[in-house]
Amino acid sequence: DADVTQTPRNRITKTGKRIMLECSQTKGHDRMYWYRQDPGLGLRLIYYSFDVKDINKGEISDGYSVSRQAQAKFSLSLESAIPNQTALYFCATSDSGFDTQYFGPGTRLTVL
Amino acid sequence: LAKTTQPISMDSYEGQEVNITCSHNNIATNDYITWYQQFPSQGPRFIIQGYKTKVTNEVASLFIPADRKSSTLSLPRVSLSDTAVYYCLVGDMDTGRRALTFGSGTRLQVQP
Repeated sequence: DADVTQTPRNRITKTGKRIMLECSQTKGHDRMYWYRQDPGLGLRLIYYSFDVKDINKGEISDGYSVSRQAQAKFSLSLESAIPNQTALYFCATSDSGFDTQYFGPGTRLTVL
Repeated sequence: LAKTTQPISMDSYEGQEVNITCSHNNIATNDYITWYQQFPSQGPRFIIQGYKTKVTNEVASLFIPADRKSSTLSLPRVSLSDTAVYYCLVGDMDTGRRALTFGSGTRLQVQP
């Protein structure tokens, strides 16, 4: 079984809809991250969480919110989806400090 | 936060050695250098990490000069399967209160 899983893997939605992307990990890591990637570009950090009670905004948090339900679960929500949020979304985990980040398989989100 | 600069793209042929250089002029004393590899539609994968001099693993070597203002990822005898985007990250090994950011990376295309 994969250490970092994301659901759904693909999602098509309409402008204005609320969307939740979920991430689960079995690595026992404290730190979890949400990134988005646009075609041909690098990853941009949306939100990150160092533990269940510690959530921080990344460089592009506007239009997004997160919830850290447990050490193993970190959800990303788009309250009112818009077309320019169409992207590939990755969840990642790491242990404390500057350790290797382990990425999930990604969620491809299309907002029409 | 140390900023990194990498070439946007590189081309090579199978069997050749590929060297990708990353510039990080503002690297701090506590910063480590990490490289990730990303295949299309997949999350990035850790390749190698180092602080100074040379680090080698089964996948690559990382060369870091004494001033640490740059680093070079060396891929020996590349194959078609090494075609990917390579990201250089610089970050603090301390349990600091910030997350790493990925830049645009270097797109390596290996030709037969």
